[in-house]
Amino acid sequence: DMKVTQMPRYLIKRMGENVLLECGQDMSHETMYWYRQDPGLGLQLIYISYDVDSNSEGDIPKGYRVSRKKREHFSLILDSAKTNQTSVYFCASSSGDSDYTFGSGTRLLVI
Amino acid sequence: SQLAEENLWALSVHEGESVTVNCSYKTSITALQWYRQKSGEGPAQLILIRSNEREKRNGRLRATLDTSSQSSSLSITATRCEDTAVYFCATAPYAQGLTFGLGTRVSVFP
Repeated sequence: DMKVTQMPRYLIKRMGENVLLECGQDMSHETMYWYRQDPGLGLQLIYISYDVDSNSEGDIPKGYRVSRKKREHFSLILDSAKTNQTSVYFCASSSGDSDYTFGSGTRLLVI
Repeated sequence: SQLAEENLWALSVHEGESVTVNCSYKTSITALQWYRQKSGEGPAQLILIRSNEREKRNGRLRATLDTSSQSSSLSITATRCEDTAVYFCATAPYAQGLTFGLGTRVSVFP
């Protein structure tokens, strides 16, 4: 069963704490993505990774960094989380520009 | 501004009826994709229609693409309550990841 797995599913952090969101895929897709989804703003692209250690900023990278040391894993890091980073974060992977698979999301609340 | 956008926030239909969601886009594309997102889940790809295709079907779903007017539609026939979701169109310009519209919420009532 091909899938993208995100951990954790729910997370509550205090402002200023560091946050690690993890994502894994079992399809050997080269390209992986991190999006955030907010009401009224839709899905916004944070980072793209084209392969191990080959990452590129998306539309809203400020306040985030990523790490990809293995093809199947892609992490999103928030150093010193802010309240405006409260959101639902989705990881996705794709085969070329066609077959995209999304995870179920991580709901992050920063208080 | 959105590179792809649906033209209605919400639609409601009764089970068994058909519903159509429309989308317009602003860039030249190689393909347009339709997604469904149910509450508490991530987006799930429904149909990918390439720029040289005018229509594509997937079961009860039918997507059309008109590159001259830069528009697309997704129709669902014989709707069911489980079709209740937000439907998005999305494009992938310059292989820089998907750009989504804000979505149309479709509610199917018994």
